[in-house]
Amino acid sequence: SAVISQKPSRDICQRGTSLTIQCQVDSQVTMMFWYRQQPGQSLTLIATANQGSEATYESGFVIDKFPISRPNLTFSTLTVSNMSPEDSSIYLCSVGAVDQPQHFGDGTRLSIL
Amino acid sequence: EDQVTQSPEALRLQEGESSSLNCSYTVSGLRGLFWYRQDPGKGPEFLFTLYSAGEEKEKERLKATLTKKESFLHITAPKPEDSATYLCAVQARASGGYQKVTFGTGTKLQVIP
Repeated sequence: SAVISQKPSRDICQRGTSLTIQCQVDSQVTMMFWYRQQPGQSLTLIATANQGSEATYESGFVIDKFPISRPNLTFSTLTVSNMSPEDSSIYLCSVGAVDQPQHFGDGTRLSIL
Repeated sequence: EDQVTQSPEALRLQEGESSSLNCSYTVSGLRGLFWYRQDPGKGPEFLFTLYSAGEEKEKERLKATLTKKESFLHITAPKPEDSATYLCAVQARASGGYQKVTFGTGTKLQVIP
């Protein structure tokens, strides 16, 4: 299965700032996904990022708050904009294909002061 | 809307004490049911995919089974290294493209020596 690297692994940020999370895959993949995992809650899909097209956002998530880039088949970024304490969470990148299970990176642990 | 409910939320076992984790699901046509293991500070690690009722998959001390309404993850003679959160997820069939995966909140397993 693909090896997925996320950077940074953790960060502490000030309210009102933005942070960009990077996701690098060791092989070309069509579909990349961004999730949020809050304590005691299930993984929530933020958006699907396909190369060559705009990201598809789930209900409750908007591009202005979570802009995503997908410049090629091995890389994607998620930006958390104008952060507030409610954005404190673990953000996970995953890759998948139509008949394959998703595989995940180790996540970015984000705390907002 | 697809739903996944896992029980119990937490389970504490003595080493060698076998038990089962439950995943109840509601989905409009199941494409696949997935089990993942998640260690603290790590992303979910894929364990199994089950596609149809009656199917079983095994890996070391773990065995996953599937019915039309639920899946069980049986843990036989667990060891402390089996301690982790186990996540269940479902994916519905789609007429085309990729259908998103819905995750449960997980069962946190602790195996005591």
